Amino acid sequence: GQNIDQPTEMTATEGAIVQINCTYQTSGFNGLFWYQQHAGEAPTFLSYNVLDGLEEKGRFSSFLSRSKGYSYLLLKELQMKDSASYLCAVKDSNYQLIWGAGTKLIIKP
Amino acid sequence: ETGVTQTPRHLVMGMTNKKSLKCEQHLGHNAMYWYKQSAKKPLELMFVYSLEERVENNSVPSRFSPECPNSSHLFLHLHTLQPEDSALYLCASSQGGFSSGANVLTFGAGSRLTVL
Repeated sequence: GQNIDQPTEMTATEGAIVQINCTYQTSGFNGLFWYQQHAGEAPTFLSYNVLDGLEEKGRFSSFLSRSKGYSYLLLKELQMKDSASYLCAVKDSNYQLIWGAGTKLIIKP
Repeated sequence: ETGVTQTPRHLVMGMTNKKSLKCEQHLGHNAMYWYKQSAKKPLELMFVYSLEERVENNSVPSRFSPECPNSSHLFLHLHTLQPEDSALYLCASSQGGFSSGANVLTFGAGSRLTVL
């Protein structure tokens, strides 16, 4: 079967750096997405990786290794507003999006 | 209004009721989606309308019925639901069709459904 694994919950300190990992086993690969979802709000797009390597976007970066079936989202200079759930999703060979259950990130002062 | 708008935001219904969820997108996108989000579970795709084609998850019970009258509006009709159907129902749209590789989903804030 197809599967996306990510930690259920993580805690980090304001101003610090946190890395949220995502590993996947899917039938083929057509890209990996990260979304952010604040409690009670819509998920919003953060990043898309289809080639190996690091994509940087301000305080957020996303890394992909297709050979390892692995990605991470790196958040720098954490702010309280970064407290949210982070969803990892992979497009398989049929272009279906396979979702992880999400990682709830708690930021403490 | 801009983005993807869902109404109602909260809905409580009995198992014998019939209700509908509404979604509207103001982005000129070509595909619209219904997802079910349950606590600590992955998003579950229910239905897709893409370039006038409908794709559905065969595991979705027939008590859920989608309707897409045009490219901007999407409905989810609900009848004789079960308590386990209580969840957040998210609508989304995308510029590209269902089979586009990099199509980014724009989500609405969801309709929180409670079935008593």
